[in-house]
This record gives sequence, structure tokens and C-alpha cells, in this order.
Amino acid sequence: DQQVKQNSPSLSVQEGRISILNCDYTNSMFDYFLWYKKYPAEGPTFLISISSIKDKNEDGRFTVFLNKSAKHLSLHIVPSQPGDSAVYFCAARSWDAGNMLTFGGGTRLMVKP
Amino acid sequence: DVKVTQSSRYLVKRTGEKVFLECVQDMDHENMFWYRQDPGLGLRLIYFSYDVKMKEKGDIPEGYSVSREKKERFSLILESASTNQTSMYLCASSPPGMVAGSNQPQHFGDGTRLSIL
Repeated sequence: DQQVKQNSPSLSVQEGRISILNCDYTNSMFDYFLWYKKYPAEGPTFLISISSIKDKNEDGRFTVFLNKSAKHLSLHIVPSQPGDSAVYFCAARSWDAGNMLTFGGGTRLMVKP
Repeated sequence: DVKVTQSSRYLVKRTGEKVFLECVQDMDHENMFWYRQDPGLGLRLIYFSYDVKMKEKGDIPEGYSVSREKKERFSLILESASTNQTSMYLCASSPPGMVAGSNQPQHFGDGTRLSIL
């Protein structure tokens, strides 16, 4: 039973437009959410996070939105750049589980020039 | 800056071989993790360790074992490699809880792409 789901395995976007990556979760104990970005043959790198006490966190071109009632979060990238092409993983942490993370299946983003 | 180093970027082994994947971190983190990444399945936790000589099974421990003799080093062992263990293996480390001023629970190495022939 997947507690964190990314229902879109891939997404293709034109350079300069907005990319929206979605993530749904089922566990109400999750209190902290993260997005990791992964290039081929490299480890995941941390991108942005949000605490469950907030509904939005912004860092440059990247914004994460959290809708707790819908158990849904999304990552917006504006404007998208070809260098953003990578696999994006949504992850969640439960308040009672230390730094254990539960990951979604990933979404491959392709930004076309 | 946290550094998690995996000993090999690419590895090719044969079915039935005993395979060792090594991971070293330099931040004195208590927790260390081994994941495998497969397309569409995300990162799945194989084993983790929260202290020296301590280990806990993750979601998919079958066919694997681990060793943590020193705090900085966490080894993943494939006892008898099989073709379905061909995958990208990722090591991560973290402190036991969220650290003030830090927004990143886990730090990852660059991964080892393992092929079992």
C-alpha cells in the first residue's frame, strides 16, 4: 500500500512554461514534505520542503503547495528550463519516525527547448 | 557540507556472487540507509541502521544483509546475487532528528548502478 503516490510517471513541458508536479499521500501522521531531484547516474538532491503548518513555500523558481485537507502537494517550477529535466521524487516524514522518509514513485520531467 | 560517498559508481557481477556495496559519510550521522531505485517504483528502503552494530529491515530486505561496524560506514551485502537485483542502489545518512537550521532529513550518495549478469 503506497502511502505516497505520484500518479504521473512523466511530464513534458515547453521551456519557459510552468511545470506542475503532483503528489498525494494517505498517512495523516506525515508532518514534513520534501521534493528531491535526481539526474541519471547521480543521487537525489534536496530541492525544497514544506512543513505541515504551512500551505506554501517558495524558493526562487520553485514553489511547493500543500493542501492538507486533500492530502495533496504540488511542486511548481516557473519558468521551466531544460536543465530542470530530471526525475522528481516527493517524500514525506512522519512526526513519530525521526528522519525516516517515505518516497513516491517519481515523475520524469522533460523540458523541451 | 555533508558528504556521502559510495565506493563504486558502476558494478557488474555474475549471478551467485557475493556482492559488497560500501557507503561512507563524514557528518557523524547516527542514521544510515540503503535504498534501491527502480523505474516507477521510486526509492524503496532495503535496510537502515540507527547506530553502530544496529540494523533494521526496511520494506524489501529479502536477499540482502547489512553491516555497520563503524559509525561512518554502512555496507550492503548481496549474499548470492540474482538478476532481479540489477538496480540503482542509493545510500543516505541523517541525524536522529531534525536539526535546527536544517531542512533536509536525509543526504544521499551518488548511487551505484549494479548489473547482475
